[in-house]
Amino acid sequence: NAGVMQNPRHLVRRRGQEARLRCSPMKGHSHVYWYRQLPEEGLKFMVYLQKENIIDESGMPKERFSAEFPKEGPSILRIQQVVRGDSAAYFCASSTGTDYGYTFGSGTRLTVV
Amino acid sequence: QKEVEQNSGPLSVPEGAIASLNCTYSDRGSQSFFWYRQYSGKSPELIMFIYSNGDKEDGRFTAQLNKASQYVSLLIRDSQPSDSATYLCAVKGSNNNDMRFGAGTRLTVKP
Repeated sequence: NAGVMQNPRHLVRRRGQEARLRCSPMKGHSHVYWYRQLPEEGLKFMVYLQKENIIDESGMPKERFSAEFPKEGPSILRIQQVVRGDSAAYFCASSTGTDYGYTFGSGTRLTVV
Repeated sequence: QKEVEQNSGPLSVPEGAIASLNCTYSDRGSQSFFWYRQYSGKSPELIMFIYSNGDKEDGRFTAQLNKASQYVSLLIRDSQPSDSATYLCAVKGSNNNDMRFGAGTRLTVKP
């Protein structure tokens, strides 16, 4: 029973390029959450999705960032025209929607050069 | 005011001692409270969750919740060097949509 799968583990992009981060939730989990973590800081909530629906995107920057969780396939966090300040670890988590906490993936470390 | 606040530490305790980690939250309607452990360069892993006022024990870990004071804590008994990590307090708000995290407390257990 694979856990939350994120890929790639490391991603290097030049300023102005696009970054696509993928997340496959645990089997049986239909709720996906994306968080960003800067070095020595906590996790900052970005967006909460269920299949084909964005439930809460209050933590997403208004521009350049988007997320989706299609009917088939992984959830995608997309960052357009990346800037150096986007460099961070991006964690995806999934849950069944109950109160038993989230399971996190290994994260994608994005470096913008 | 931050939604979830923790002392950033670092907190250093000797091996075998009790480590006490504290957390306060701002949303009075919050219902669910979680403690995660994160080793450097790794992803957070769930240690404990607590929903009701009082104490909840699991092995060497005890979570304590006081909703009136909007306070939640984690005690680690018989601390081991392998407990050295950053501990993240997380709270599920009254909207029940998502979990908000504190900045974490870095714990070092010295042999």
